Amino acid sequence: AQSVTQPDARVTVSEGASLQLRCKYSYFGTPYLFWYVQYPRQGLQLLLKYYPGDPVVQGVNGFEAEFSKSNSSFHLRKASVHWSDWAVYFCAVSQMNYNQGKLIFGQGTKLSIKP
Amino acid sequence: GGIITQTPKFLIGQEGQKLTLKCQQNFNHDTMYWYRQDSGKGLRLIYYSITENDLQKGDLSEGYDASREKKSSFSLTVTSAQKNEMAVFLCASMGPANSDYTFGSGTRLLVI
Repeated sequence: AQSVTQPDARVTVSEGASLQLRCKYSYFGTPYLFWYVQYPRQGLQLLLKYYPGDPVVQGVNGFEAEFSKSNSSFHLRKASVHWSDWAVYFCAVSQMNYNQGKLIFGQGTKLSIKP
Repeated sequence: GGIITQTPKFLIGQEGQKLTLKCQQNFNHDTMYWYRQDSGKGLRLIYYSITENDLQKGDLSEGYDASREKKSSFSLTVTSAQKNEMAVFLCASMGPANSDYTFGSGTRLLVI
């Protein structure tokens, strides 16, 4: 079955430290992969997306992610976190049939920042 | 720029009550979605619609009805609210194939 797993429910890092949020997917065929961020009491905002091509994709606010077919992973990284990155992060894979585009989401990782 | 508006922002209902959530978008997007967000479970698809008057069931459609009478609006009905239910319902829309999603800010439901 197609699925997305984010193994870390919560991650805490110090401000200025580097960050990696993990995402593993199970998908038959070529996946389209996404990272979304949800700030408190808001909807989801797209950070970055992977369509088949360069495995490293750049997103907004200094985020990047790397696709690995061999590891079935799409981990999110940032070199230096800021307190404003305090949010919940969701990894998702798309069933990108024409005109449907249903997303399958992971459980989310709640990121906290230590001052 | 466009916007997706969900109403109400907060909804308190009673057990067994029928509750309706509304979503409006002015992007002129064809496809719209309703997702349910529970703590620790990510988002799960309830219903989606690829055009006016079209309805497609997602993985979590039992206990819900949906309506897409206009291209710009997509409503979700909880047919019988369950006591102690607490969740956030997120509406989203998508333009032409492979374009990005836009999410609304959500409706927070509490059933007492």
